[in-house]
Amino acid sequence: AQTVTQSQPEMSVQEAETVTLSCTYDTSESDYYLFWYKQPPSRQMILVIRQEAYKQQNATENRFSVNFQKAAKSFSLKISDSQLGDAAMYFCAYRSAAGGTSYGKLTFGQGTILTVHP
Amino acid sequence: DTAVSQTPKYLVTQMGNDKSIKCEQNLGHDTMYWYKQDSKKFLKIMFSYNNKELIINETVPNRFSPKSPDKAHLNLHINSLELGDSAVYFCASSRRQGNQPQHFGDGTRLSIL
Repeated sequence: AQTVTQSQPEMSVQEAETVTLSCTYDTSESDYYLFWYKQPPSRQMILVIRQEAYKQQNATENRFSVNFQKAAKSFSLKISDSQLGDAAMYFCAYRSAAGGTSYGKLTFGQGTILTVHP
Repeated sequence: DTAVSQTPKYLVTQMGNDKSIKCEQNLGHDTMYWYKQDSKKFLKIMFSYNNKELIINETVPNRFSPKSPDKAHLNLHINSLELGDSAVYFCASSRRQGNQPQHFGDGTRLSIL
């Protein structure tokens, strides 16, 4: 079974600075997808960014980018020019690309609470 | 315009009661999911349906019974509620194949007294 680990329960950053959230995962599969979701206090789950394991290029979405290290099974999220609205809990998630009964299932990490200081 | 909508948003009830949470998506997705987020914010899949067919059942007690009348709806019925059922329940949907992300509802906070 796959596991996802976020080793930083809490992180903080000054507004306009850059912060990196860590995520590692364990899998024996070669094809899969990785996601970062954001959960603000409003409780919504909002997709931040996604990465296909077969792609070597790191995904970017505006101020958000990832550092995907497949051999190290690492998938960190970098937030540049942090804004107050980035304050939230961030979840890393794994999804298998294989068929079968687990297909589509997201396995989440424990989450990292990000605080942004003005 | 809401993509994935859950009702109710809050549910407060007593131990032993039976309750249902409804979920509907208007995204044309073929797969729907239920996740449970516990008091420590940990999210775990409970069920997944693809075109009304049960695909995933993650060792959830059989007091929990999902029902999918059509591929746009996935309801969750819970019998004989227990204190440990207190949590936030999220419905989500996606296309099953590829890297399609899951779109989540706003969650239902269930509190058992």
